[in-house]
Amino acid sequence: TQLLEQSPQFLSIQEGENLTVYCNSSSVFSSLQWYRQEPGEGPVLLVTVVTGGEVKKLKRLTFQFGDARKDSSLHITAAQPGDTGLYLCAGALSGAGSYQLTFGKGTKLSVIP
Amino acid sequence: KAGVTQTPRYLIKTRGQQVTLSCSPISGHRSVSWYQQTPGQGLQFLFEYFSETQRNKGNFPGRFSGRQFSNSRSEMNVSTLELGDSALYLCASSLGPRSGQHLIYEQYFGPGTRLTVT
Repeated sequence: TQLLEQSPQFLSIQEGENLTVYCNSSSVFSSLQWYRQEPGEGPVLLVTVVTGGEVKKLKRLTFQFGDARKDSSLHITAAQPGDTGLYLCAGALSGAGSYQLTFGKGTKLSVIP
Repeated sequence: KAGVTQTPRYLIKTRGQQVTLSCSPISGHRSVSWYQQTPGQGLQFLFEYFSETQRNKGNFPGRFSGRQFSNSRSEMNVSTLELGDSALYLCASSLGPRSGQHLIYEQYFGPGTRLTVT
């Protein structure tokens, strides 16, 4: 059972369109991060959200953490080909010895020029 | 600051052999985590080291092992390689979890080592 479910798995859109990807869990996370990974490279940290209901903006990217801290979304406005990549969410669970992040399987985004 | 470096970037081995992968974390980071990434399973946690001590281990067989040196550099070893071990192995460095009102654990990844087992 995957602790963090991401949807959709694949998304192919035209340049200029808007899109939203989701990260859902039945567990409460202390904090949650979004990473973007390009082919042949490691994931790059985009943002960390901590407070339930928190919204963070990074240029055309908007990240939201659910009120109950069990889910998150990433919205991209006017997608560009440079946004192409694998988007991963990862969460930190509270508790003693929590020295690991739990990752979703990712949403593979292709933005067609 | 220089980022996380991993060597080698690519490796081809045959079944039954063993392999050692190396990771140099960002200067000042004492926590190093290792992940295996495959198309079917995504990123799966292998283990985490902090100040030369393994603090957490994922659900992998004993053929997967690691260590960390006093300068925070880390190595992972896979013995008796199997075809299913073909994957991208990622190393991530961190200052470690920050505990305040909420636990925050930001990790910075290297480019990975692509291991192919034939």
